[in-house]
Amino acid sequence: EDQVTQSPEALRLQEGESSSLNCSYTVSGLRGLFWYRQDPGKGPEFLFTLYSAGEEKEKERLKATLTKKESFLHITAPKPEDSATYLCAVRAPNSGYALNFGKGTSLLVTP
Amino acid sequence: DADVTQTPRNRITKTGKRIMLECSQTKGHDRMYWYRQDPGLGLRLIYYSFDVKDINKGEISDGYSVSRQAQAKFSLSLESAIPNQTALYFCATSGDTDTQYFGPGTRLTVL
Repeated sequence: EDQVTQSPEALRLQEGESSSLNCSYTVSGLRGLFWYRQDPGKGPEFLFTLYSAGEEKEKERLKATLTKKESFLHITAPKPEDSATYLCAVRAPNSGYALNFGKGTSLLVTP
Repeated sequence: DADVTQTPRNRITKTGKRIMLECSQTKGHDRMYWYRQDPGLGLRLIYYSFDVKDINKGEISDGYSVSRQAQAKFSLSLESAIPNQTALYFCATSGDTDTQYFGPGTRLTVL
C-alpha cells in the first residue's frame, strides 16, 4: 500500500503560469515530510522539510504547505529552469530515519 | 568538491558478475543509505546504516549486501548481478537533522 502518492505525474506549464503539485500521504504519526528536486541523471536535491499541519516554507518561487493528509508545492511564476522532477517523501515508520518516496511529478516549463 | 561521492558513475556488467558500488562522504554524518531508482517506481530503500556497527535491511534488500567500512564509507555489493538490477543507484547521508543529502548516482546496466 502506497504511503506517498504524488499528482499529477507530469505537468506542463507556460513560463509565468503558476500551479501546484500535490503529495498525499497515509502515514500515521507523521515525523517529517520532505520535498526534493531532481534533474535528469542527477541525485535529488533537498528543498524543504515540514513537520506539522499548517507549516509553510518558501524558497524563491517555491512554497511548500502541509495539512494532516497532504502537502502542496506551489510554484509561482515559474521559469524554464524550474523544469525538473519534484519528489515528495515521508519518514517511514519502523525504519528509523529512512524515507518513503512518492513517484514524483515531472514538471516542464516552456518559454 | 562534492560532499557525497559515488563511484563508479556508470557501469555495464554481465549477468552473474560480482559488482561493488562505493559511496564516500565528507559531511561527517553517521547515517548512510542506499536507494535504487527505476522509471515509474520511484526511489526505493535497499539498506541503511546508522553507524559503523549498525546495518539494516530496507524494502528491497534481496540480492544485495552492504559494508560500512568507516563512518565516511558505505559500499553496496551485488554478489551475482541479474538484468532486473539495472537501475540508478543513489547513496544518501543524514546527520543530526532528518534531511538526507544524495550523491550523484551510479547508472548500472546488467546485460
